[in-house]
Amino acid sequence: QTVVTQEPSLSVSPGGTVTLTCGLTSGSVSTNYYPSWYQQTPGQPPRALLYQTSTRSSGVPNRFSGSILGNKAALTITGAQSDDGSDYYCVLYMGSGISLFGGGTKLTVL
Amino acid sequence: EVQLVESGGGLVQPGGSLRLSCAASGFTFTHYWIHWVRQVPGKGLVWVARISSDGSGKNFADSVKGRFTISRDNAKNTVDLQMNSLRVEDTAVYYCTRQGGTGPFDPWGQGTLVTVSS
Repeated sequence: QTVVTQEPSLSVSPGGTVTLTCGLTSGSVSTNYYPSWYQQTPGQPPRALLYQTSTRSSGVPNRFSGSILGNKAALTITGAQSDDGSDYYCVLYMGSGISLFGGGTKLTVL
Repeated sequence: EVQLVESGGGLVQPGGSLRLSCAASGFTFTHYWIHWVRQVPGKGLVWVARISSDGSGKNFADSVKGRFTISRDNAKNTVDLQMNSLRVEDTAVYYCTRQGGTGPFDPWGQGTLVTVSS
């Protein structure tokens, strides 16, 4: 059974750059999986950041960018701010109407 | 304002049933697929099910297939998730969210908590 993988935790310094990745236990992620990314803070529902690999949702700052890096989808935060400390989830469309979330990455900005 | 509001959560015994509802407003409901996603408090997001804009297409995660059904009423702008044969591991906050084409899941409701316990 294919699982979507994410780093459990990452840290970045304020103003720094960090890349979160989204992979598969079997196979490579491509744009055909329509990767999307969500940010969630405690007690709140998720907020859409990026979809179709690299398109920013409305109102999302341009310090958030998406790409395919090697065999994974990637979310890069350039110039991290303190309020970027959150949980981040990727979603891949697996075909046949099925979507899979990754396990999430807890990002700490310090 | 685009809004999705879930309701129907609560405490139910293992083996029991519960019907969640997602009420939509502020957009053309028939243009969007609606998804249900759940989250055990403190844990990650898990995709559960989706229904197409006209209600003809329905898909489920393996973990709920055969136990959960999904339906929509495009006249009332609502989507229901009927959950049968509930298990302790179905305990979670259940969110509904919309998707247009290959766009994002956006926005999300505030969620409704389902607790399966004896």
